[in-house]
Amino acid sequence: GQNIDQPTEMTATEGAIVQINCTYQTSGFNGLFWYQQHAGEAPTFLSYNVLDGLEEKGRFSSFLSRSKGYSYLLLKELQMKDSASYLCAVRGYGGATNKLIFGTGTLLAVQP
Amino acid sequence: DAGITQSPRYKITETGRQVTLMCHQTWSHSYMFWYRQDLGHGLRLIYYSAAADITDKGEVPDGYVVSRSKTENFPLTLESATRSQTSVYFCASSGTSSNEQFFGPGTRLTVL
Repeated sequence: GQNIDQPTEMTATEGAIVQINCTYQTSGFNGLFWYQQHAGEAPTFLSYNVLDGLEEKGRFSSFLSRSKGYSYLLLKELQMKDSASYLCAVRGYGGATNKLIFGTGTLLAVQP
Repeated sequence: DAGITQSPRYKITETGRQVTLMCHQTWSHSYMFWYRQDLGHGLRLIYYSAAADITDKGEVPDGYVVSRSKTENFPLTLESATRSQTSVYFCASSGTSSNEQFFGPGTRLTVL
């Protein structure tokens, strides 16, 4: 079967660093994605990993370990506007379809 | 305006009625997708399309019908709406060589 797990909720303080974990078990793997979704809005793309290691983009970084079926999203210098849901998604092999399987999302609350 | 749009943004209907949700994109993306988002389930794929006249089922296709006569449009029809189809529906698109899916603003559908 296919399963993607991430924590339901997290709380962090403005200016701090937070790590959101994602573990997956899928039939084939052809990339892992992180999306951000503010309440009442559409998801927006944050990052993509297909090889092991860390991808950095400004305050956001994403890490992947394919052998462990594990990824994390690291958010640095947290701002109040980072309060949102963070969705982990995996693309299975046979990537010509670009289909994604999404986790249920992690709701991050940033407190002053 | 360029981008991906959905209409209507909000819809209230009654059980048993037929409802069509529209999705339009101006990028000439090959791939288009319909998701529903419910609390506790995250984003679930209903149907997707790899090109005009090519569609396929996702995770939760029952009760839905799609068509793709033109590349830019991907309507989703609920043939006989049920209360369990109350949800937020997102359309997305991506290019052949793109890793990113771009999401529309969503349609909030309530079935009474």
